Amino acid sequence: GDSVTQTEGLVTVTEGLPVKLNCTYQTTYLTIAFFWYVQYLNEAPQVLLKSSTDNKRTEHQGFHATLHKSSSSFHLQKSSAQLSDSALYYCALSRTNTGKLTFGDGTVLTVKP
Amino acid sequence: GPKVLQIPSHQIIDMGQMVTLNCDPVSNHLYFYWYKQILGQQMEFLVNFYNGKVMEKSKLFKDQFSVERPDGSYFTLKIQPTALEDSAVYFCASSLEGGQNTLYFGAGTRLSVL
Repeated sequence: GDSVTQTEGLVTVTEGLPVKLNCTYQTTYLTIAFFWYVQYLNEAPQVLLKSSTDNKRTEHQGFHATLHKSSSSFHLQKSSAQLSDSALYYCALSRTNTGKLTFGDGTVLTVKP
Repeated sequence: GPKVLQIPSHQIIDMGQMVTLNCDPVSNHLYFYWYKQILGQQMEFLVNFYNGKVMEKSKLFKDQFSVERPDGSYFTLKIQPTALEDSAVYFCASSLEGGQNTLYFGAGTRLSVL
């Protein structure tokens, strides 16, 4: 079946510095979409980014990600982390016509002053 | 953005009893989902639901589980009877369309089975 791997469970970065959260995947399907969801404490996971186009950069709220099918990756990056970015981030894959998502384990991002 | 509401936020129940988790999806959405997250583990797909029917379910969706959305009201997940291993956070989600459409999640219901 499909799988999504987020290698870091916890990432700590200093405010103003760049941050990168890794996401790789395995799937046998060709038509796939990828999502980054962010979950703040005691809130619902909310979509941050979405992409289904190979090698096209997607941006939202200062974050960006590019789907690279050649390396099976969809890493999340931001050039300057803010304190308010501290949250739990999930990478997820969607490939069926039913909307089912396969999630990674999640990465807790902590931005310190 | 669109809001999905889950009621209650926390439910404590004795093993063997029945529990119903309620979800109020985004008003014009047509596809509905339940995900389960055990503490410290990833969110895992349970079931999705469209046009009054289950479209797809995972191995986690045991025979004791059922879903329905009677007359466009709450989308519910019922567990009867509950077991200790059902303790988890259950997230409801909805989407306007299927395929690779964006899912909108609720904040989850924490179920504690004693």
